Amino acid sequence: QVHLVQSGSELKEPGASVKVSCKASGYTFTIFAMHWVRQAPGQGLEWMGWVNTNTGDATYAQGFKGRYVFSLDTSVTTAYLQINGLKAEDTAIYYCVRDGVRGLAAVNWFDPWGQGTLVTVSS
Amino acid sequence: NFLLTQPHSVSASPGKTVTISCTRSSGSIDNNYVHWYQRRPGSAPTNVINDDVKRPSGVSARFSGSIDSSSNSASLTISGLTTEDEADYYCQSYDSVNLSWVFGGGTKVTVL
Repeated sequence: QVHLVQSGSELKEPGASVKVSCKASGYTFTIFAMHWVRQAPGQGLEWMGWVNTNTGDATYAQGFKGRYVFSLDTSVTTAYLQINGLKAEDTAIYYCVRDGVRGLAAVNWFDPWGQGTLVTVSS
Repeated sequence: NFLLTQPHSVSASPGKTVTISCTRSSGSIDNNYVHWYQRRPGSAPTNVINDDVKRPSGVSARFSGSIDSSSNSASLTISGLTTEDEADYYCQSYDSVNLSWVFGGGTKVTVL
């Protein structure tokens, strides 16, 4: 069965960095694109971008360029989201989610989703 | 980029039917598939309809999707409402011009 298991909640001070992990199991990691999605408190879902799990190439959505870094460790089938220079407005739940269809076009529905990681930025 | 507009909330009694609309602001709704997700409180989203009308394995037949070109919108219909359907529902579509994904703002379904 396909699973995405994310790391636990984080509490960080403004200006710090955080790295969220997303461990995949139950499928061949490198033939499905991986997306990242944010949900801020009281807000809707926001696509942050995706990573080609075969090449490691990352594509970032507008508004997520600069402080956000997607990375991989294919040896442990894990994707990572790092956010640098944290701000209060980065407080949100961050989800990793696999592309629904094998192949790396990243143009299909999202399934399954990780359980989400709450990142809280506060002094 | 286009926008996907959903009603903020809909409600109905148990056993009734609700329909959630998702209207595309520019470009044809037919240009790209629309997908739907359910997010129950405290849980991650799950896909309930993909490619406009397809229901994934394990999703109740009470969920159905449709497209209406005349109103440039997609719809998610939930029939035979139960309390387990109380959740936020999001539509999603791909912007093939800007190579990005767009989500609707979400609709809260309340079972009265």
